[in-house]
Amino acid sequence: EPEVTQTPSHQVTQMGQEVILRCVPISNHLYFYWYRQILGQKVEFLVSFYNNEISEKSEIFDDQFSVERPDGSNFTLKIRSTKLEDSAMYFCASGWRGDLYEQYFGPGTRLTVT
Amino acid sequence: AQKVTQAQTEISVVEKEDVTLDCVYETRDTTYYLFWYKQPPSGELVFLIRRNSFDEQNEISGRYSWNFQKSTSSFNFTITASQVVDSAVYFCALSDRAFYGGATNKLIFGTGTLLAVQP
Repeated sequence: EPEVTQTPSHQVTQMGQEVILRCVPISNHLYFYWYRQILGQKVEFLVSFYNNEISEKSEIFDDQFSVERPDGSNFTLKIRSTKLEDSAMYFCASGWRGDLYEQYFGPGTRLTVT
Repeated sequence: AQKVTQAQTEISVVEKEDVTLDCVYETRDTTYYLFWYKQPPSGELVFLIRRNSFDEQNEISGRYSWNFQKSTSSFNFTITASQVVDSAVYFCALSDRAFYGGATNKLIFGTGTLLAVQP
């Protein structure tokens, strides 16, 4: 069964460094999402992406964040200058036009900022 | 505004007990979907069920059952004869917009209920 994959599973970085979190969505999917979950808290929407542009973004998704689909298979989330409060689990999800409300989640990347 | 409330922060039961996890939602849309996800200690989100706003039939899947009541804006989840492997955080989520007008069907999650099943 096709699945969403994410790399790395865990990344440790120093405050102020740039990080790129990678996701490979399911191959025929057209809609892509990033969510964030700070430890012990709820899952929060960050951004959705369709047709090579951002469709919607939350208040959390400020200028430090960017997303990209560089090569037709990967979907990346970049944090330009990490802060301690960026430490969280980041989930990627993808969906397809045939089922507008279904999202398939990846296993997540745990980001630790020290 | 869209909102999902899971008032139960933690529930502890003994194996074989039945347990119900509550979920109350708010939305102004007439078309929406409700979801339940399980998050085991390993951290991934495991999809359990999706229901649309036009289908109020209760659903049963093995030991799991869901009670959707539009009149009270609730979508409760019951585990019958709980097992230790059911120990996890359970999230209820709402999605109420499809892909028109530039909006996307982002999921709005509740704060989750930590279920601990003791042997």
